[in-house]
Amino acid sequence: QVQLVESGGGVVQPGRSLRVSCAASGFTFSSYSMHWVRQAPGKGLEWVAVISYDGSNKYYADSVKGRFTTSRDNSKNTLYLQMNSLRVEDTAVYYCALGGRNWEVPAFDYWGQGTLVTVSS
Amino acid sequence: DVVMTQSPLSLPVTLGQPASISCRSSQSLVDSDGNTFLNWFQQRPGQSPRRLIYLVSNRDSGVPDRFRGSGSGTDFTLRISRVEAEDVAVYYCMQGTHWPLTFGPGTKVHIK
Repeated sequence: QVQLVESGGGVVQPGRSLRVSCAASGFTFSSYSMHWVRQAPGKGLEWVAVISYDGSNKYYADSVKGRFTTSRDNSKNTLYLQMNSLRVEDTAVYYCALGGRNWEVPAFDYWGQGTLVTVSS
Repeated sequence: DVVMTQSPLSLPVTLGQPASISCRSSQSLVDSDGNTFLNWFQQRPGQSPRRLIYLVSNRDSGVPDRFRGSGSGTDFTLRISRVEAEDVAVYYCMQGTHWPLTFGPGTKVHIK
């Protein structure tokens, strides 16, 4: 069965960097696009980024563009989100979610359990 | 960006009674191929979101048939025919037609 397991969250100071990961199993990871979605404490869902199956296409929300970078290692079935110049407002649970084979076709039929990133001095 | 609005934001319900959530988009969600990428998600307390409905009205595997999605263009609805205790959750609509993808603010369904 499809499993997505995020890791790497923690407490980080404003302006610093953090990388979170999403380990995938139960499907052919290299054939599907992947998304990042975040949820600030007590708030709604915010789409963050998408990466195509081969990593050649990426698209970001304006709120993270230029600061966050998503990448993937298909040999390791792992998705990454590199977060630089972190701000207090980036504090959230970060979820990875399965996309479609075509990155422009959203799926979101499977989600991970999320990893909490807290940006605080 | 496409703005998604939902109403109501809080929905007190009686067990066994129907419930309805409205979702509206600031522009049409029909793409050039005629597809409408409108999803509904359920997020129970302490859990990750779960997709219930995709492409406006298609139920995901394992989703009870008391959940029904409908609508077109800019106006969409999620209906629960008879609310059960396990349906207590926040429900989000999400549009996937225009980039960036955007979610509605969520509707909290709770028992009266």
